[in-house]
Amino acid sequence: EVQLVQSAPELKRPGESLVISCQASGFSFTGHWIGWLRQQPGKGLEWMGIIYPGDSETRYSPSFQGLVTMSADKSIRTAYLQWGSLKASDTAIYYCAKLRFEDNSAFDSWGEGTLVTVSS
Amino acid sequence: EIVLTQSPGTLSLSPGERATLSCRASRSVYRNYLSWYRQIPGQAPRLLIYGASSRASGVPDRFSGSGSGTDFTLTIDRLAPEDFAVYYCQHYGTSPSISFGQGTRLEIK
Repeated sequence: EVQLVQSAPELKRPGESLVISCQASGFSFTGHWIGWLRQQPGKGLEWMGIIYPGDSETRYSPSFQGLVTMSADKSIRTAYLQWGSLKASDTAIYYCAKLRFEDNSAFDSWGEGTLVTVSS
Repeated sequence: EIVLTQSPGTLSLSPGERATLSCRASRSVYRNYLSWYRQIPGQAPRLLIYGASSRASGVPDRFSGSGSGTDFTLTIDRLAPEDFAVYYCQHYGTSPSISFGQGTRLEIK
């Protein structure tokens, strides 16, 4: 069974750093692109970027380039999303999701989401 | 970047009825790589349709997708209680470029 298990909710102050994680099981972690998506409160879905854990190649959405960093540790089948300095506007649910192997065109399995709250 | 516009914003129907949701792209979608997702409140999105018309694994056959180029449709026959949710379309393009529509909320009439 394909599973993406995300890390627990976080409450942070503006300016703090943060890393959230997404642990994969049930599929070839190194053979699939893993994406990160943001959903701000009451809003729609935004694509942030994708990472290929096999070689850690990354592709960022222009909207998120330079604002976050994606990485992966294939030895523990885990992908990460990192912020250097959080802002209140980073408050959102962050999902990791796996792209379809056959054509990479759609996210066919999703994690449950990590709620990040940034507040002073 | 392709902009996806979904309509209507909200659709009010009764269980058992048919729902028709639209997604229009600002330019032609690469290889018709247009997908649909359902998001039940409090849950992660679930892939329903990929490649404009192919049902994802485990998706009931009351869900169907159609369209090509810039105009796409998701049809849901015989609405079930769990279908009252928010639906998003999403495109995949080269580089890649990925974007979502703003969503259609399907509510119980």
